Amino acid sequence: EVQLLESGGGLVQPGGSLRLSCAASGFTFSSYAMSWVRQAPGKGLEWVSAISGSGGSTYYADSVKGRFTISRDNSKNTLYLQMNSLRAEDTAVYYCAKDQGPGLGATTPPFDYWGQGTLVTVSS
Amino acid sequence: QSVLTQPPSASGTPGQRVTISCSGSSSNIGSNYVYWYQQLPGTAPKLLIYRNNQRPSGVPDRFSGSKSGTSASLAISGLRSEDEADYYCAAWDDSLSGSWVFGGGTKLTVL
Repeated sequence: EVQLLESGGGLVQPGGSLRLSCAASGFTFSSYAMSWVRQAPGKGLEWVSAISGSGGSTYYADSVKGRFTISRDNSKNTLYLQMNSLRAEDTAVYYCAKDQGPGLGATTPPFDYWGQGTLVTVSS
Repeated sequence: QSVLTQPPSASGTPGQRVTISCSGSSSNIGSNYVYWYQQLPGTAPKLLIYRNNQRPSGVPDRFSGSKSGTSASLAISGLRSEDEADYYCAAWDDSLSGSWVFGGGTKLTVL
């Protein structure tokens, strides 16, 4: 059974940093690309970032480019999101999601399994 | 403002058939597959339809997807109370460096 468990959320001041983790189990982690998707309170879904199965390729939404860094440790079956220079508009529940193949982009169906999410609140 | 456009709300009575539309452009729906997700209240989203019209195992055949040009639709037949949820469409967008884009979501109410 595929399981994704996010952690690391919390309250942080504007301009601060936070690192999210997503522990994966139930599948061969290195064989699948992974993504982060966020949802602001009462709002819709917004894709944040994706990383290939090997970790060699990454994509970012324009809204987080240069501030967030996605990475993975395939030996630990764990996905990360390092968030720097946080802003109030980054407040959201952050979900990690598994893609259906190792690559990125249009050819790999996305988000077939989701974690339960972790809440990040950016406020002074 | 979402890249993909969905109606904010839809409704139907038990047993009815409802459709939810998703409108995009040539850089997303017009040239790539469409995906649909269901988000029940207080839970994480769940994949409902992939590659325009394919259902993952376990998704009832009451749910179906279609695509034509730069628009797509999700149809739910034999509506049930447990279908009351938010529904989102998504597609890859080829513009600039590429990204996944979502619709703003449609809240389905079962009357």
